[in-house]
Amino acid sequence: SQTIHQWPATLVQPVGSPLSLECTVEGTSNPNLYWYRQAAGRGLQLLFYSVGIGQISSEVPQNLSASRPQDRQFILSSKKLLLSDSGFYLCAWIRGGSLGLGELFFGEGSRLTVL
Amino acid sequence: LAKTTQPISMDSYEGQEVNITCSHNNIATNDYITWYQQFPSQGPRFIIQGYKTKVTNEVASLFIPADRKSSTLSLPRVSLSDTAVYYCLGSRGGSYIPTFGRGTSLIVHP
Repeated sequence: SQTIHQWPATLVQPVGSPLSLECTVEGTSNPNLYWYRQAAGRGLQLLFYSVGIGQISSEVPQNLSASRPQDRQFILSSKKLLLSDSGFYLCAWIRGGSLGLGELFFGEGSRLTVL
Repeated sequence: LAKTTQPISMDSYEGQEVNITCSHNNIATNDYITWYQQFPSQGPRFIIQGYKTKVTNEVASLFIPADRKSSTLSLPRVSLSDTAVYYCLGSRGGSYIPTFGRGTSLIVHP
């Protein structure tokens, strides 16, 4: 069965510090991968998506970056965090290459608080 | 992808049927409509997906009229545990860029 894992689940970071969130999908190959952020009381904002290794598309220009070093690994990074980076970060996947429908499967989420 | 519009919030009572309507006036021919449910501090969870007419599964029904400019998620006999945020998304096969709106916050009262 397919599973998706994110870590860490919770972290508190000072302003200006770096960030690395990891997401790993198991049980599938060539998934489309997505990073979302949800600020308190808000909807989900799509940050990045990837359709393959090394292929990253950014939806919102900001101080975050993403990388996909392996087929089933998606990493969200920042060199210097801002207060506005606080939020709930969610990784999601959908089976890639599908010409039809699909449902997004989300990880457990990573709650980031920047102080 | 179709831009969607939903009510920000709704209130209901246990045992009632709840209908949440989503407007997607610019839906493309290839777009499907998908609904998700999200509880606090969790990722959204797939509820139902459809293209036209009516789709029913064990948790909900989805009604999409012939013009496909809107869709209605129907939750039969809601319980307190159905209190959550509900999102509708337009989706298309191939390059899939699922974009969530603000969703509808449903509160079910005893």
